[in-house]
Amino acid sequence: ETGVTQSPTHLIKTRGQQVTLRCSSQSGHNTVSWYQQALGQGPQFIFQYYREEENGRGNFPPRFSGLQFPNYSSELNVNALELDDSALYLCASSPGQGYGYTFGSGTRLTVV
Amino acid sequence: QQQVKQSPQSLIVQKGGISIINCAYENTAFDYFPWYQQFPGKGPALLIAIRPDVSEKKEGRFTISFNKSAKQFSLHIMDSQPGDSATYFCAASLNQGGKLIFGQGTELSVKP
Repeated sequence: ETGVTQSPTHLIKTRGQQVTLRCSSQSGHNTVSWYQQALGQGPQFIFQYYREEENGRGNFPPRFSGLQFPNYSSELNVNALELDDSALYLCASSPGQGYGYTFGSGTRLTVV
Repeated sequence: QQQVKQSPQSLIVQKGGISIINCAYENTAFDYFPWYQQFPGKGPALLIAIRPDVSEKKEGRFTISFNKSAKQFSLHIMDSQPGDSATYFCAASLNQGGKLIFGQGTELSVKP
């Protein structure tokens, strides 16, 4: 299977709730990154996983956490949702150093 | 020092014209400079990328010009077409496969 698949495509949550976003990468893509894209802005790096270990994190609080699984899928979890968490969340995967990233179409999260 | 500044914020070009988008960076350790194209409801897609040891790279109608001393790089879209109408993001990273720092984006509209 080619490409990066994200689910769900859209999600509405209430402030204070928790959410899990999912990403399925191509086979062999052992590096996955998550980005947050607010409306009208460029994507902001949240964190990166390599072979199931976090190996880089952006300026996001600990309530943003992630997991990467051996089957090249990954999750982004956000606890205690705030209104400002409303954004498009993008997953991007890569075979590793020296290769570029392929982005998914994202999950549009709305917090009300 | 981690910022990438992009201009203009929006651009209107006639069909067949040249679209030019500019970016400036601060961190001289950046080693990889990609450009992404994003359509509404989709994730960013890699258009073309350059490393700092090259001053220009061309792929079809898309050209990156890179000025290492000025810490600037630009995207030129030749013979712009209505189908090129999208948001364009420049980015920079310390290495290909690493964390991407994105510019703020340029919304391009090509008029028929």
